[in-house]
Amino acid sequence: DAGITQSPRHKVTETGTPVTLRCHQTENHRYMYWYRQDPGHGLRLIHYSYGVKDTDKGEVSDGYSVSRSKTEDFLLTLESATSSQTSVYFCAISESSGGQNSPLHFGNGTRLTVT
Amino acid sequence: GNSVTQMEGPVTLSEEAFLTINCTYTATGYPSLFWYVQYPGEGLQLLLKATKADDKGSNKGFEATYRKETTSFHLEKGSVQVSDSAVYFCALRDSSYKLIFGSGTRLLVRP
Repeated sequence: DAGITQSPRHKVTETGTPVTLRCHQTENHRYMYWYRQDPGHGLRLIHYSYGVKDTDKGEVSDGYSVSRSKTEDFLLTLESATSSQTSVYFCAISESSGGQNSPLHFGNGTRLTVT
Repeated sequence: GNSVTQMEGPVTLSEEAFLTINCTYTATGYPSLFWYVQYPGEGLQLLLKATKADDKGSNKGFEATYRKETTSFHLEKGSVQVSDSAVYFCALRDSSYKLIFGSGTRLLVRP
Protein backbone atom coordinates (compact mmCIF):
# COMPACT_ATOMS: atom_id res chain seq x y z
CA ASP A 1 0.00 0.00 0.00
CA ALA A 2 1.12 3.52 -0.78
CA GLY A 3 1.85 5.37 2.45
CA ILE A 4 -1.21 7.58 2.57
CA THR A 5 -3.14 8.32 5.72
CA GLN A 6 -6.38 10.29 5.76
CA SER A 7 -7.82 11.69 8.95
CA PRO A 8 -10.38 11.58 10.28
CA ARG A 9 -11.92 8.50 8.66
CA HIS A 10 -15.44 9.55 9.60
CA LYS A 11 -16.87 12.88 10.63
CA VAL A 12 -20.31 14.27 11.30
CA THR A 13 -20.64 18.03 11.47
CA GLU A 14 -23.34 20.67 11.40
CA THR A 15 -24.14 23.06 8.59
CA GLY A 16 -22.10 26.24 8.81
CA THR A 17 -19.18 24.83 10.77
CA PRO A 18 -15.62 24.74 9.41
CA VAL A 19 -14.07 21.35 8.72
CA THR A 20 -10.51 20.36 7.87
CA LEU A 21 -9.52 17.03 6.41
CA ARG A 22 -5.91 15.91 6.43
CA CYS A 23 -3.91 13.81 4.03
CA HIS A 24 -0.46 12.65 5.07
CA GLN A 25 1.98 10.77 2.81
CA THR A 26 5.26 9.05 3.53
CA GLU A 27 6.29 8.59 -0.13
CA ASN A 28 7.75 12.07 -0.74
CA HIS A 29 5.66 12.35 -3.92
CA ARG A 30 5.33 15.73 -5.56
CA TYR A 31 1.67 15.59 -6.60
CA MET A 32 -1.27 15.41 -4.21
CA TYR A 33 -4.98 15.50 -4.98
CA TRP A 34 -8.35 15.77 -3.28
CA TYR A 35 -11.36 14.08 -4.87
CA ARG A 36 -14.94 13.63 -3.77
CA GLN A 37 -17.01 10.57 -4.61
CA ASP A 38 -20.77 10.76 -5.01
CA PRO A 39 -23.21 8.22 -6.47
CA GLY A 40 -23.59 8.64 -10.21
CA HIS A 41 -20.65 11.05 -10.50
CA GLY A 42 -17.61 8.88 -10.09
CA LEU A 43 -14.74 10.82 -8.57
CA ARG A 44 -14.46 14.55 -9.16
CA LEU A 45 -11.35 16.59 -8.59
CA ILE A 46 -11.60 19.34 -5.97
CA HIS A 47 -8.05 20.70 -5.76
CA TYR A 48 -4.59 19.44 -6.42
CA SER A 49 -1.02 20.37 -5.59
CA TYR A 50 2.14 20.11 -7.66
CA GLY A 51 4.52 21.13 -4.90
CA VAL A 52 4.82 22.90 -1.56
CA LYS A 53 2.61 26.00 -1.65
CA ASP A 54 1.66 25.24 -5.29
CA THR A 55 -2.01 24.39 -5.67
CA ASP A 56 -4.70 24.68 -8.31
CA LYS A 57 -8.44 24.21 -8.63
CA GLY A 58 -10.24 21.19 -9.97
CA GLU A 59 -13.73 20.93 -11.43
CA VAL A 60 -15.66 21.22 -8.13
CA SER A 61 -13.57 23.65 -6.05
CA ASP A 62 -16.32 26.05 -4.90
CA GLY A 63 -16.62 26.02 -1.11
CA TYR A 64 -13.25 24.34 -0.60
CA SER A 65 -9.74 25.58 0.05
CA VAL A 66 -6.46 23.72 0.41
CA SER A 67 -3.02 24.23 1.83
CA ARG A 68 0.28 22.47 1.45
CA SER A 69 3.00 23.80 3.70
CA LYS A 70 5.03 20.56 3.72
CA THR A 71 5.59 17.90 1.09
CA GLU A 72 3.90 15.25 3.22
CA ASP A 73 0.70 17.06 4.19
CA PHE A 74 -2.22 18.31 2.10
CA LEU A 75 -5.16 19.85 3.94
CA LEU A 76 -8.68 20.31 2.61
CA THR A 77 -10.85 22.89 4.37
CA LEU A 78 -14.57 23.45 4.10
CA GLU A 79 -14.90 27.00 5.41
CA SER A 80 -18.62 26.68 6.12
CA ALA A 81 -19.94 23.18 5.55
CA THR A 82 -23.18 22.65 3.63
CA SER A 83 -25.31 19.54 3.19
CA SER A 84 -24.22 19.34 -0.46
CA GLN A 85 -20.70 18.64 0.78
CA THR A 86 -21.78 15.38 2.38
CA SER A 87 -19.59 12.93 0.51
CA VAL A 88 -16.65 10.56 0.66
CA TYR A 89 -13.37 12.40 0.21
CA PHE A 90 -10.30 10.71 -1.19
CA CYS A 91 -6.74 11.90 -1.18
CA ALA A 92 -4.33 10.70 -3.84
CA ILE A 93 -0.62 11.04 -4.54
CA SER A 94 1.58 10.62 -7.59
CA GLU A 95 5.26 10.71 -8.27
CA SER A 96 6.59 13.09 -10.88
CA SER A 97 9.24 10.94 -12.56
CA GLY A 98 6.84 9.17 -14.92
CA GLY A 99 4.95 12.28 -15.90
CA GLN A 100 1.35 11.66 -16.91
CA ASN A 101 2.13 7.93 -17.16
CA SER A 102 2.44 7.62 -13.39
CA PRO A 103 -0.73 6.37 -11.74
CA LEU A 104 -2.35 8.01 -8.74
CA HIS A 105 -2.44 6.07 -5.49
CA PHE A 106 -5.40 6.62 -3.22
CA GLY A 107 -6.01 6.76 0.49
CA ASN A 108 -8.89 4.93 2.17
CA GLY A 109 -11.17 7.95 2.24
CA THR A 110 -12.96 10.18 4.74
CA ARG A 111 -16.72 9.90 5.03
CA LEU A 112 -18.12 13.34 5.85
CA THR A 113 -21.74 13.92 6.82
CA VAL A 114 -23.07 17.46 7.13
CA THR A 115 -26.35 17.65 9.04
CA GLY B 1 -12.54 19.39 -22.13
CA ASN B 2 -11.30 15.86 -21.65
CA SER B 3 -13.83 13.28 -20.49
CA VAL B 4 -14.41 9.56 -19.95
CA THR B 5 -17.65 7.67 -20.60
CA GLN B 6 -18.36 4.23 -19.16
CA MET B 7 -21.21 1.85 -19.69
CA GLU B 8 -23.99 2.07 -17.17
CA GLY B 9 -24.19 -0.62 -14.55
CA PRO B 10 -24.79 -2.70 -12.72
CA VAL B 11 -23.40 -5.56 -14.74
CA THR B 12 -24.52 -8.91 -13.35
CA LEU B 13 -22.74 -12.09 -14.44
CA SER B 14 -22.49 -15.68 -13.38
CA GLU B 15 -19.16 -17.01 -12.19
CA GLU B 16 -16.81 -17.98 -15.07
CA ALA B 17 -18.63 -15.73 -17.54
CA PHE B 18 -16.77 -13.38 -19.90
CA LEU B 19 -16.64 -9.74 -18.85
CA THR B 20 -16.51 -6.60 -20.96
CA ILE B 21 -16.90 -3.11 -19.51
CA ASN B 22 -16.90 -0.44 -22.18
CA CYS B 23 -14.94 2.79 -21.82
CA THR B 24 -14.50 5.58 -24.34
CA TYR B 25 -12.71 8.85 -23.93
CA THR B 26 -12.47 12.32 -25.39
CA ALA B 27 -9.11 14.01 -25.16
CA THR B 28 -6.74 16.30 -26.93
CA GLY B 29 -3.21 15.08 -27.20
CA TYR B 30 -2.12 11.65 -26.02
CA PRO B 31 -3.43 10.79 -22.57
CA SER B 32 -2.50 7.80 -20.47
CA LEU B 33 -5.38 5.47 -19.63
CA PHE B 34 -6.11 3.58 -16.42
CA TRP B 35 -8.56 1.17 -14.86
CA TYR B 36 -9.12 1.33 -11.12
CA VAL B 37 -11.16 -1.02 -8.94
CA GLN B 38 -12.98 -0.21 -5.72
CA TYR B 39 -14.06 -3.01 -3.40
CA PRO B 40 -16.84 -2.29 -0.90
CA GLY B 41 -15.79 0.12 1.84
CA GLU B 42 -12.32 0.62 0.42
CA GLY B 43 -10.36 3.15 -1.59
CA LEU B 44 -9.41 2.84 -5.23
CA GLN B 45 -6.73 0.44 -6.38
CA LEU B 46 -4.91 0.62 -9.68
CA LEU B 47 -5.87 -2.37 -11.80
CA LEU B 48 -3.96 -1.71 -15.02
CA LYS B 49 -2.74 1.05 -17.29
CA ALA B 50 -1.68 1.80 -20.86
CA THR B 51 0.35 4.80 -21.88
CA LYS B 52 0.27 4.84 -25.68
CA ALA B 53 -1.77 3.64 -28.62
CA ASP B 54 -2.00 -0.15 -29.05
CA ASP B 55 -0.53 -0.78 -25.59
CA LYS B 56 -2.23 -3.57 -23.68
CA GLY B 57 -2.43 -3.32 -19.92
CA SER B 58 -3.02 -6.50 -17.94
CA ASN B 59 -3.28 -7.61 -14.33
CA LYS B 60 -5.04 -10.40 -12.39
CA GLY B 61 -6.58 -11.76 -15.59
CA PHE B 62 -7.98 -8.40 -16.64
CA GLU B 63 -6.90 -6.78 -19.90
CA ALA B 64 -7.51 -3.53 -21.76
CA THR B 65 -6.06 -2.23 -25.03
CA TYR B 66 -5.53 1.45 -25.81
CA ARG B 67 -7.37 2.00 -29.11
CA LYS B 68 -6.71 5.46 -30.43
CA GLU B 69 -8.72 4.97 -33.63
CA THR B 70 -11.89 4.26 -31.64
CA THR B 71 -10.86 6.29 -28.53
CA SER B 72 -11.63 3.26 -26.38
CA PHE B 73 -10.11 1.32 -23.50
CA HIS B 74 -12.51 -1.55 -22.82
CA LEU B 75 -11.88 -3.80 -19.81
CA GLU B 76 -12.12 -7.56 -20.37
CA LYS B 77 -11.72 -10.74 -18.35
CA GLY B 78 -12.18 -14.22 -19.67
CA SER B 79 -13.64 -15.83 -16.56
CA VAL B 80 -14.91 -13.74 -13.66
CA GLN B 81 -15.03 -14.84 -10.04
CA VAL B 82 -17.29 -13.83 -7.19
CA SER B 83 -14.31 -11.97 -5.70
CA ASP B 84 -14.26 -9.67 -8.76
CA SER B 85 -17.49 -8.04 -7.59
CA ALA B 86 -16.61 -4.37 -7.21
CA VAL B 87 -16.94 -0.98 -8.90
CA TYR B 88 -14.62 -0.40 -11.85
CA PHE B 89 -13.49 3.06 -12.95
CA CYS B 90 -11.93 4.04 -16.25
CA ALA B 91 -9.75 7.15 -16.13
CA LEU B 92 -7.41 9.24 -18.23
CA ARG B 93 -4.48 11.39 -17.24
CA ASP B 94 -3.44 14.18 -19.54
CA SER B 95 -0.55 16.61 -19.70
CA SER B 96 -2.14 18.70 -16.93
CA TYR B 97 -1.45 15.74 -14.62
CA LYS B 98 -5.10 15.61 -13.53
CA LEU B 99 -6.80 12.21 -13.44
CA ILE B 100 -10.28 12.33 -14.97
CA PHE B 101 -12.70 9.51 -14.12
CA GLY B 102 -15.70 7.93 -15.69
CA SER B 103 -18.75 7.46 -13.49
CA GLY B 104 -17.90 3.86 -12.62
CA THR B 105 -19.50 0.50 -13.42
CA ARG B 106 -20.65 -1.84 -10.68
CA LEU B 107 -19.99 -5.53 -11.35
CA LEU B 108 -21.86 -8.24 -9.46
CA VAL B 109 -20.76 -11.82 -9.96
CA ARG B 110 -23.13 -14.54 -8.77
CA PRO B 111 -21.93 -18.02 -7.77
